Amino acid sequence: QQQVKQSPQSLIVQKGGISIINCAYENTAFDYFPWYQQFPGKGPALLIAIRPDVSEKKEGRFTISFNKSAKQFSLHIMDSQPGDSATYFCAASIKVRGSQGNLIFGKGTKLSVKP
Amino acid sequence: DGGITQSPKYLFRKEGQNVTLSCEQNLNHDAMYWYRQDPGQGLRLIYYSQIVNDFQKGDIAEGYSVSREKKESFPLTVTSAQKNPTAFYLCASSTRRTTARNEKLFFGSGTQLSVL
Repeated sequence: QQQVKQSPQSLIVQKGGISIINCAYENTAFDYFPWYQQFPGKGPALLIAIRPDVSEKKEGRFTISFNKSAKQFSLHIMDSQPGDSATYFCAASIKVRGSQGNLIFGKGTKLSVKP
Repeated sequence: DGGITQSPKYLFRKEGQNVTLSCEQNLNHDAMYWYRQDPGQGLRLIYYSQIVNDFQKGDIAEGYSVSREKKESFPLTVTSAQKNPTAFYLCASSTRRTTARNEKLFFGSGTQLSVL
């Protein structure tokens, strides 16, 4: 119930294409869903996040789509660029006693964007 | 230049040896975390601390120990009891304010630990 399942494990996209990474969860108490981006040899950095009161959030070329009834959320990268090549992690957390609980991470998706 | 500093970047451990990974932050964050990253396994929480002189076990605490004597510092010791210590270790911090709507984690650049 505490898992976040992420797919695919790896993804190859041509420059200019759309990259789509999916995550699914079971625990309906999750109320915060961030995506982190990690470049090789570096720590992850927050890319974009969503709460279940909205179905979509867009920041530049990055969009989170959220389907509460299906308990799924996905990251879409429009016009993918070679510089987007990185590992992407979805995550989820629950509010505990007024503050956000610890994040539970998916296993990651390694994205390669070919020029 | 605010951020999280992890050292060393690479560390080698001999059989039966304890090693300590350093993590320092100058973001004035209350909460600090240690994660372990293995290829294809995502990030798994080892220990976390929400306040000085207090810390809690995460999902995979066995074979590890921590201390939080100062707000800025949260060192992780990988003990000889950890039989499979080879991994990339990430330290993170967050503000942990109770009213925060966005619990953003700030990560260091990691330490790669290998066994000799």
